[in-house]
Amino acid sequence: GAVVSQHPSRVICKSGTSVKIECRSLDFQATTMFWYRQFPKQSLMLMATSNEGSKATYEQGVEKDKFLINHASLTLSTLTVTSAHPEDSSFYICSARDQGGATDTQYFGPGTRLTVL
Amino acid sequence: GEDVEQSLFLSVREGDSSVINCTYTDSSSTYLYWYKQEPGAGLQLLTYIFSNMDMKQDQRLTVLLNKKDKHLSLRIADTQTGDSAIYFCAESHTGGFKTIFGAGTRLFVKA
Repeated sequence: GAVVSQHPSRVICKSGTSVKIECRSLDFQATTMFWYRQFPKQSLMLMATSNEGSKATYEQGVEKDKFLINHASLTLSTLTVTSAHPEDSSFYICSARDQGGATDTQYFGPGTRLTVL
Repeated sequence: GEDVEQSLFLSVREGDSSVINCTYTDSSSTYLYWYKQEPGAGLQLLTYIFSNMDMKQDQRLTVLLNKKDKHLSLRIADTQTGDSAIYFCAESHTGGFKTIFGAGTRLFVKA
């Protein structure tokens, strides 16, 4: 199946700093990517939909100024957690929408574990 | 609103069949998915079914859909210890559009 990568896989940062997470579709072009957040032993919560060349669409309750999303190319979307605080510590997972094949499918990245000290 | 529910835990013996159940509320769901997540990893798409299908089989996996009752199940035949993971049921209106996930069912396989 299609491959989606995330970088870094794990990051530890100090409170108040900003962290950038990259999501790449490696063998297909994705006009749409999604960013999810997963708390321990819980399901995925959709944070935002990232659209190539336009502004991201944020879900209710997600601060767009805190979670900056940039989808500058058809294979790359970035999520920047600005002024991170310990409560931002979580597992962040991206997915990319592949509309090029016979089916319209969403592929997930391996996730990035963020720990804010 | 849209909601997907599943039981939180399932424990089976190695070699037995596992059945994980899911219910959803959105009758306009087009695609229904099963994802597998191993500890510390992302989600792996196991299988999916279109809403106009009743059943889909893929090797050890069988998906049954009762659209009238909005009930989806995943059967894993000959369950192995490597099948121990969290299984998420999910639905969307189109294949890659906004996907709603259940809370996940943690499957324990005892040797």
